[in-house]
Order: sequence, then C-alpha cells, then structure tokens
Amino acid sequence: DTEVTQTPKHLVMGMTNKKSLKCEQHMGHRAMYWYKQKAKKPPELMFVYSYEKLSINESVPSRFSPECPNSSLLNLHLHALQPEDSALYLCASNTRLAPTGELFFGEGSRLTVL
Amino acid sequence: GQSLEQPSEVTAVEGAIVQINCTYQTSGFYGLSWYQQHDGGAPTFLSYNGLDGLEETGRFSSFLSRSDSYGYLLLQELQMKDSASYFCAVREGGKLIFGQGTELSVKP
Repeated sequence: DTEVTQTPKHLVMGMTNKKSLKCEQHMGHRAMYWYKQKAKKPPELMFVYSYEKLSINESVPSRFSPECPNSSLLNLHLHALQPEDSALYLCASNTRLAPTGELFFGEGSRLTVL
Repeated sequence: GQSLEQPSEVTAVEGAIVQINCTYQTSGFYGLSWYQQHDGGAPTFLSYNGLDGLEETGRFSSFLSRSDSYGYLLLQELQMKDSASYFCAVREGGKLIFGQGTELSVKP
C-alpha cells in the first residue's frame, strides 16, 4: 500500500463551523505533514509530525489545530476559519530519514470557507 | 532560509524536448528534488539529485550543478499528458521547500 488517503475530498464550511480533515497512511512512515496550496502556487508547509510529535509549526494561526492520534493518522481541526483559508490542503508522509526528500502526497482536501 | 527560482510557464509541442531550470540559494544543501502536479491532483515525486550530474528515469532526466546552485529537469518525447506544473524543491532541516512552479503546456 503506497497511498496517502485524505478525507473529505471537498469541504464547504462557514466561518463559525468546526470541521476536521483526515489523513491516513499505511506505509509505516513516521513523518507526516500538512501543506496548504493556493491555486497556481506551490505547496506551503504548515505542520510536521515526527514519531507522532509535532516537530514543526510554521507559525500557523491557531484556528488550525493538528493532531496525530497514531503513526498512521493525521488530523487537521478547523475552527473559525476565514475565506482566505480556502485552499487545497495536502497531507504527505515519508520515512523521515530519506535523503531524497521524497514525500508521498494525498490527493488533498479542497476547502471552501464561505 | 531557502529560495528557488524557476520559470513560471513553458510551452512546447508533442514530441519535443523541454528543459525546466531551477536556481537556488540555500543555507545548507541536501540535494534537489522535482515534483509533478497535474491540475487538481497531488504532487508526485519525479527525481532527486544529491550529487552533481545527470539522473535519468525514462523520458525524464534531472541535472544538478552544486557549484552553480543550478539544476534542471529535462523532459523528452513530450506527450500531452506531460502538461502539468513542475516544482523543484530542496530540504531545509525537516522541511521540503518548493519553488514557485513551472506550468508546462504541451500542444499538439
């Protein structure tokens, strides 16, 4: 199994809603990432988890709250988002020690904030 | 920090060869990676250069010159399905930092 699975694929939420994005991988990878991508832009790193511990937070607003319940799962909890947070949210994983920098990405969750 | 520069757009015809350049400025260098992303899809890893020289994987090749802080992705025998965005990327500690991306359009 070489897949990273993200759900939901599409999400529309209001600014007062609370929702969660989910990511799952069964490749035994111990590093998992959340990236945000706007149209025609590169993926921007948000968070990195290494061995289920948050190792990097790229100064992301607190309305985004990551969680890593176990080595296969990664969640991103969303609360009180702004319309400018509308984007494609990509989850990725790798072995952490891979020198090639190869990340395995999911298909993403496309978020629209109204 | 890191910065990477690549052309924003490239257009080529089917069957042709195209080269996408990437120049980088880094405080520490661990190699250059390339990713492909089709519209609406996930980025997928194409290649990695840790040392100077050319790496070939089928129709795609990637080159690195560390002394020039420069690399390129070479796509041969272009096909319509190669129309996509191509990102160069470098590692910075535990992070992968992407260039702004080059949108490749392949015309019939």
